Amino acid sequence: EDQVTQSPEALRLQEGESSSLNCSYTVSGLRGLFWYRQDPGKGPEFLFTLYSAGEEKEKERLKATLTKKESFLHITAPKPEDSATYLCAVQAISGTYKYIFGTGTRLKVLA
Amino acid sequence: GAVVSQHPSWVICKSGTSVKIECRSLDFQATTMFWYRQFPKQSLMLMATSNEGSKATYEQGVEKDKFLINHASLTLSTLTVTSAHPEDSSFYICSARNRDSGNQPQHFGDGTRLSIL
Repeated sequence: EDQVTQSPEALRLQEGESSSLNCSYTVSGLRGLFWYRQDPGKGPEFLFTLYSAGEEKEKERLKATLTKKESFLHITAPKPEDSATYLCAVQAISGTYKYIFGTGTRLKVLA
Repeated sequence: GAVVSQHPSWVICKSGTSVKIECRSLDFQATTMFWYRQFPKQSLMLMATSNEGSKATYEQGVEKDKFLINHASLTLSTLTVTSAHPEDSSFYICSARNRDSGNQPQHFGDGTRLSIL
């Protein structure tokens, strides 16, 4: 069965304290892995798509990497405005374009 | 680009009322739209996949007659919660996928907070 697990569930960082969020997945053929950011009361905002192992994408303080079993979202020198829930989703090759979402990591960055 | 608009953002209504939520792709054509439900501090749960001009595909456990989905054009899908009851109160979010994309991401609306009294 296709499955996505994110860890940790919640993370508190001091401003400037770098860390990584993990997304482990089991899927019968990966079409793509997607990272989103969700603020309270809002819909998810797209961050990155990763397609194959070894691929990396960067945007400001965020960097996403992908292996055959997991993806990491690295946050370098975070700021309070980076506080949000970060969601990982995978899309399997099997015909449809629907996502399998992880449960998310709630990140709080303290000033 | 890739903006998805969802309306209304917030609705309160009495038990037994039917409520319609609209999801529009503003600057692209979406052959496929998705409807999700999200409970507090939980992830998104896919309810159904909506394809333009055809019947929606519902996930297991989602009542088709309770949650009516119509995808009448390449830019609009609607979700109607029929005869809503307090247990239907939730945050409903739609997303859309660009028809011209190979494997582009889903783009999400800002959700509709539904409260049934």
